[in-house]
Amino acid sequence: NAGVTQTPKFRVLKTGQSMTLLCAQDMNHEYMYWYRQDPGMGLRLIHYSVGEGTTAKGEVPDGYNVSRLKKQNFLLGLESAAPSQTSVYFCASSYSTDGIAPTYEQYFGPGTRLTVT
Amino acid sequence: AQSVTQLDSHVSVSEGTPVLLRCNYSSSYSPSLFWYVQHPNKGLQLLLKYTSAATLVKGINGFEAEFKKSETSFHLTKPSAHMSDAAEYFCVVSEETSYDKVIFGPGTSLSVIP
Repeated sequence: NAGVTQTPKFRVLKTGQSMTLLCAQDMNHEYMYWYRQDPGMGLRLIHYSVGEGTTAKGEVPDGYNVSRLKKQNFLLGLESAAPSQTSVYFCASSYSTDGIAPTYEQYFGPGTRLTVT
Repeated sequence: AQSVTQLDSHVSVSEGTPVLLRCNYSSSYSPSLFWYVQHPNKGLQLLLKYTSAATLVKGINGFEAEFKKSETSFHLTKPSAHMSDAAEYFCVVSEETSYDKVIFGPGTSLSVIP
């Protein structure tokens, strides 16, 4: 199993450009998450999904959109990049043992380092 | 409201000496608590978790943590540091079974001196 993979690994954008980050997991997990990591702030949840076709806002959703058209993929889009979105982005997934809610253990991808100039 | 405080932003130890990374939390309910490790340019990996069972939790690579409700602490320890332990460590708290109620601490960077 590859686990959670993210593409691309690095990207540099100019202000106003758009891009999509792809997250894929091969563990058949129901739940998927997008975080951003900034120095001294830990990880902050951007958006999450509790299943195929569903998405919800997390702590810092502004400026981002997401889609979960397939269970194994979770896309994060930036429509008009801003320097404040310079960060490292992590995707994670988790599963449910009771069919109702996720376990708290999350499996993380290796991250995407995005710089917006 | 939940919150997590990691009392040290950076800890440096000599190889073979004990490791102590401190974490205090605030939670309105009985929380679940976790420690994750992040090696350079890698994703986060779960070290251990506390979910209301035994208060002393053993994790991977010789790490363990003790849940102390009276002190609202969940400190991470290891008896003897290895060079490979050098990484960033995150304490995480979660209340109930909620998709978005997972709060990460700011992280503690551990350096191990040969």
